[in-house]
Amino acid sequence: DAMVIQNPRYQVTQFGKPVTLSCSQTLNHNVMYWYQQKSSQAPKLLFHYYDKDFNNEADTPDNFQSRRPNTSFCFLDIRSPGLGDAAMYLCATSRDTGGTTIQETQYFGPGTRLLVL
Amino acid sequence: GENVEQHPSTLSVQEGDSAVIKCTYSDSASNYFPWYKQELGKRPQLIIDIRSNVGEKKDQRIAVTLNKTAKHFSLHITETQPEDSAVYFCAARRNYGQNFVFGPGTRLSVLP
Repeated sequence: DAMVIQNPRYQVTQFGKPVTLSCSQTLNHNVMYWYQQKSSQAPKLLFHYYDKDFNNEADTPDNFQSRRPNTSFCFLDIRSPGLGDAAMYLCATSRDTGGTTIQETQYFGPGTRLLVL
Repeated sequence: GENVEQHPSTLSVQEGDSAVIKCTYSDSASNYFPWYKQELGKRPQLIIDIRSNVGEKKDQRIAVTLNKTAKHFSLHITETQPEDSAVYFCAARRNYGQNFVFGPGTRLSVLP
């Protein structure tokens, strides 16, 4: 009964070769996040979708794009991976009710480890 | 924006002892504070959380305390076991539509 699924779990790509990572969820959460996590560091937010609204972090490189075709799926596209993009990419979801008193938990997927050769 | 600090960065304890990790946050409007445990190569997993209308929450060996006035919250693990060894992240969040801001993490080692 996996709730947040990421595919593939491991991805090897070549320098400059576009790659797409996928995330799906069975929780029907309206918010989906993409994080980049490098060794021994906290997850770094790249962007998130609040319903269909895309929110990019100011320091996310243009090399990173995202698509959310429906509630369940979200994709991370890396247009021209560099060596510095090798990392664990984590997808997460949460449900936002729109209120100010109830905060919902954020659930993480297992991650995709990206290796750039 | 919100800034979350976390201390210590590494912590070693003997099995059976207690461990305490402390986080401070800057935005007084933050009202939700989760703690995540991340084992090597695995996803962060929520272990406990606390909302701003509560001062303390406990779940078996794990407890979290929140001091809104001082803007800090702490994770307490009692009777530590080797399987508690992991990296622990705290986070803070304001109202809906705001992002989770993570602390830099604490690497906990429980020595048998």
